[in-house]
Amino acid sequence: AQKITQTQPGMFVQEKEAVTLDCTYDTSDPSYGLFWYKQPSSGEMIFLIYQGSYDQQNATEGRYSLNFQKARKSANLVISASQLGDSAMYFCAMKDGNQGGKLIFGQGTELSVKP
Amino acid sequence: DAGVIQSPRHEVTEMGQEVTLRCKPISGHDYLFWYRQTMMRGLELLIYFNNNVPIDDSGMPEDRFSAKMPNASFSTLKIQPSEPRDSAVYFCASSPLRGTGVMNTEAFFGQGTRLTVV
Repeated sequence: AQKITQTQPGMFVQEKEAVTLDCTYDTSDPSYGLFWYKQPSSGEMIFLIYQGSYDQQNATEGRYSLNFQKARKSANLVISASQLGDSAMYFCAMKDGNQGGKLIFGQGTELSVKP
Repeated sequence: DAGVIQSPRHEVTEMGQEVTLRCKPISGHDYLFWYRQTMMRGLELLIYFNNNVPIDDSGMPEDRFSAKMPNASFSTLKIQPSEPRDSAVYFCASSPLRGTGVMNTEAFFGQGTRLTVV
């Protein structure tokens, strides 16, 4: 069965510094997709970035990049040049081929950016 | 497109009452998901549909919960009877099926319904 684990309940980072949020996953299917979402205090879920299991390069979207280490089954989110507005909950999520379109989430990491 | 639309945004009800949450997915999306979010349990997938057909309801906590998708533009999640432990934020999300399949398609979330059962 597919599983997503985020081991950092909370993280602090100084404004303008980079921060890495950890995510590990488990699946027996070679075809899967990994996603990161941001949930600010207002509650909406915002899609940030996607990485496919067959993608040769790490995904990047602006200040967000994904450190994809397939052998370790990890898909860490890197946020560069942190801003105060980055303070939020961050969720890692996964779909795999065994489960069709089923999208499951990790427990989340609460990021606080300090001025 | 207006995005995924959920109603109501807030619901306060008394224990034992029936509660119905509504969702209008983005037009053309093939998948619809219902999630429940609580501090203790995080973001749990309750059920998801593909082309209006329920595919996996293993996350539905008990028989008091039921979900339907009578057509491509509407879904409901019903709790009958409601209990205080059902208090949570319920999200509906939809996802398209693109040419390369479903693995790379993100889910678009509604604003959520905050349910309080007293």
